[in-house]
Amino acid sequence: EPEVTQTPSHQVTQMGQEVILRCVPISNHLYFYWYRQILGQKVEFLVSFYNNEISEKSEIFDDQFSVERPDGSNFTLKIRSTKLEDSAMYFCASSDQMDLNQPQHFGDGTRLSIL
Amino acid sequence: GENVEQHPSTLSVQEGDSAVIKCTYSDSASNYFPWYKQELGKRPQLIIDIRSNVGEKKDQRIAVTLNKTAKHFSLHITETQPEDSAVYFCAARMYSGGGADGLTFGKGTHLIIQP
Repeated sequence: EPEVTQTPSHQVTQMGQEVILRCVPISNHLYFYWYRQILGQKVEFLVSFYNNEISEKSEIFDDQFSVERPDGSNFTLKIRSTKLEDSAMYFCASSDQMDLNQPQHFGDGTRLSIL
Repeated sequence: GENVEQHPSTLSVQEGDSAVIKCTYSDSASNYFPWYKQELGKRPQLIIDIRSNVGEKKDQRIAVTLNKTAKHFSLHITETQPEDSAVYFCAARMYSGGGADGLTFGKGTHLIIQP
């Protein structure tokens, strides 16, 4: 069964540094998402992406965050100047067709630790 | 925006008994309700979903019911087994037709199956 893949599995970064989290969505999917989960808490929506532009973003997704699809397979989340509170598990997800409410499939996540 | 409440936060049942987890949502325009199972340190995995034009859906030991009028939906697991132990998240999404809408998650229920 095809899967969403994410790299790295764990990223440790100094506060104030930039970090890029990478995702390869399922190959025929058109809609891409980033979520985060602070340890022990619920999963929170960050941003969705379709047709090379942001479709929707939450209040969490401020100017420090950006997303990009640099090529036909990768989907990245960049945090420009990391803060301690950015420490969390970041999940990428993808789905096929929106009009049929197709399920979102999650990757294994990247654990981001800010020191 | 959408708000999803989930109860209980922890549920302990004897192996073989049934478990019920309940969620309410606030936005009457929400029309898609997935349930995810998350084992410790792993990705959320979709276990079942329901759309707003359906009142109930069943898949082997798992069933979901939806009451649109009351804006609540429930997950039912029958004949529970040790491998059902995990955190379960409900979620809601409104398909707006304009793009890729993110999921709003509940806070999760830690289901513990006692042998």
